[in-house]
Amino acid sequence: EIVLTQSPGTLALSPGERATLSCRASQSVSGRYLVWYQQKPGQTPRLLIYGASSRATGIPDRFSGSGSGTDFTLTISRLEPEDFAVYYCQQYGSSPWTFGQGTKVEIK
Amino acid sequence: EVQLVQSGAEVKKPGESLRISCKGSGYSFTNYWISWVRQMPGKGLEWMGRIDPSDSYTSYNPSFQGHVTISTDKSISTAYLQWSSLKASDTAVYYCAKHYPTMIFGVFIQGVLDYWGQGTLVTVSS
Repeated sequence: EIVLTQSPGTLALSPGERATLSCRASQSVSGRYLVWYQQKPGQTPRLLIYGASSRATGIPDRFSGSGSGTDFTLTISRLEPEDFAVYYCQQYGSSPWTFGQGTKVEIK
Repeated sequence: EVQLVQSGAEVKKPGESLRISCKGSGYSFTNYWISWVRQMPGKGLEWMGRIDPSDSYTSYNPSFQGHVTISTDKSISTAYLQWSSLKASDTAVYYCAKHYPTMIFGVFIQGVLDYWGQGTLVTVSS
C-alpha cells in the first residue's frame, strides 16, 4: 500500500501568513489522485482539494493544491482564523486508499 | 441538501457484536458509493472499505478485511458497518462518507469523499 507522510507535523503561524503543507508518497500516485481534507476539533473532515489541484465546491481560492508523482503540496495563501485545523492528504490512485497522518496548523 | 446521518454512540464489551448505520438523504443513494473511515482517539483517518449501494459490491482495506462487514439496505438508503466480535482496539469514531466520482478521460474515478456523516463513537471496554 502507498504510505503518505505529511510534514511538518505541526505548523505554527499567524493569521495572514502563508501555510505550505507537504504530503510525500512512498510510491508514485497515479493520475494525481490526491485529496486534501480539513478537520477541525470535534468536526467531520471537509473536502478541500481533489485531483491534486481541483478545489471542491465552495472552497475559497486561498486554498490551492499542487504536485504530482510522489510530492504534493497544499498552500493556504493567507491564513484566516477559521483555517486553523488539521489537514490530511489521501491518495486514491491505488487500493487500499490511504491517508497521511495529518498536519496541524495552529495559531502562533 | 445532502446529508449522512449516523446512529448514536455505542458502549460495548469485548466479544460483543455491533452494527452501526448511516442513512443518506438529499441525493440518489444508489448512484454513489459509501465508504467507512475509522479515527482512533487522537489519531488520523483510516479507510476501512466501501460499498456500491446499487449492487452491494464491497471492497475492503486488507487491514480490516475479515473483521468488519459493510452492507446496505437501499430500500431505506442506509449503509451499515458491523462487527461480530468487538475488541478493545475497535474503540474509535467511525465515519461514513459519500463518494464523489470524478470523470477522467471518460472513466469515473472513485475515492474522493465529499460528504461525511457526523461520526459514531464506539467504545469497547470490559
